[in-house]
Amino acid sequence: AQSVTQPDIHITVSEGASLELRCNYSYGATPYLFWYVQSPGQGLQLLLKYFSGDTLVQGIKGFEAEFKRSQSSFNLRKPSVHWSDAAEYFCAVGAENGANNLFFGTGTRLTVIP
Amino acid sequence: ETGVTQTPRHLVMGMTNKKSLKCEQHLGHNAMYWYKQSAKKPLELMFVYNFKEQTENNSVPSRFSPECPNSSHLFLHLHTLQPEDSALYLCASSQDLLGANQPQHFGDGTRLSIL
Repeated sequence: AQSVTQPDIHITVSEGASLELRCNYSYGATPYLFWYVQSPGQGLQLLLKYFSGDTLVQGIKGFEAEFKRSQSSFNLRKPSVHWSDAAEYFCAVGAENGANNLFFGTGTRLTVIP
Repeated sequence: ETGVTQTPRHLVMGMTNKKSLKCEQHLGHNAMYWYKQSAKKPLELMFVYNFKEQTENNSVPSRFSPECPNSSHLFLHLHTLQPEDSALYLCASSQDLLGANQPQHFGDGTRLSIL
């Protein structure tokens, strides 16, 4: 069965510092991988997705993520964090076979300090 | 603006009340979803509709009753809820059921509190 692990519940970084949020997935076939961001009081916004091809994917707001099959990871990165990036970040895995389930991690809350 | 609108944004109700949550999508999508988001837990998929037909019911208690009159509207009817049902309820839509290049678009959710 699919599952997603986000090992870091809460991360604090200084504004301007680099950021990496970890995501590990469990899935037997080729996964579809997503990162979503949720600001307080709002729904989830898609940051980026990976289906196939280049393992380094670019998303919105300057985020990128790298798919590493050997490590079953899909870590999210940003070279320089802005105060507006403070939010909760969710990694999700979907099935290749068209099944309609997305499996989400428990999220990582990002705090940005001036 | 995500193209998915949920009302109300906040709802407080007693355990004996009956209320409904509404979701409307303006994206021309065919699939719609209800999720439950509780603190410190992964999002839980509740129901899935594709072309107005329910395709998934993840063992959700019968006190939650979904309705999808057309591909643009999705309701969640609530009755005799329990305190543990307090959560953020998120609606999402996708072009069709999850597959290649079909990410889900989420609304801002309804924050439900059961007294």
